[in-house]
Amino acid sequence: EVQLVESGGGLVKPGGSLRLSCAASGFSFSTYVMNWVRQAPGKGLEWVSSITTSSNYRYYADSVKGRFTISRDNAKKSLFLHMNSLRAEDTGVYYCATELEAFDIWGQGTMVTVSS
Amino acid sequence: EIVLTQSPGSLSLSPGERATLSCRASQSIPSSFLAWYQQRPGQSPRLLIYGASSRATGIPDRFSGSGSGTDFTLTISRLEPEDFAVYYCQQYGNTPYTFGQGTKLEIK
Repeated sequence: EVQLVESGGGLVKPGGSLRLSCAASGFSFSTYVMNWVRQAPGKGLEWVSSITTSSNYRYYADSVKGRFTISRDNAKKSLFLHMNSLRAEDTGVYYCATELEAFDIWGQGTMVTVSS
Repeated sequence: EIVLTQSPGSLSLSPGERATLSCRASQSIPSSFLAWYQQRPGQSPRLLIYGASSRATGIPDRFSGSGSGTDFTLTISRLEPEDFAVYYCQQYGNTPYTFGQGTKLEIK
């Protein structure tokens, strides 16, 4: 079964850090560009970051540039998002998604809450 | 950054009716890298249409996409009860990838 499973979300204080993980199964992970997308409570979708198959290129939304780092481990079929200097406006559900024909496969999401 | 504006913001229709959702881009989208997603309450988004008009795997043929350049449309020919959800358009031609603000399709 083709599947993405995110983990690592939780409650963190402003200024804190968190590392999200996305475990892939059922498909050839190393051949897919991967993305993180987030959704604030009751709001729309916001693209966060993208990484190419060999990690040669990484792209970020302006809202997270300099604070978030995307990475991947193809041998372990895993995608990561390292989040530093977290702010209240980073609160939301974080989804990982494959990119072949648009964003084809999505995980179930992991909730990040930034609050004191 | 390409800004996508969806209209209407919400749409109230009955099962069996036809739904027409619009997505307008602030500049031309390269190679029609325009997608549509459906998100039901409490669920992850699901890809419906990519490349402006190609249906994703397993998507019923009542869903169709059209358009090019800056104007795109998602049409649902005959609404089923499970189609009432929020729909987002997205451009994935240039980073930053951007989404429209969504159209909420409600049961009348």
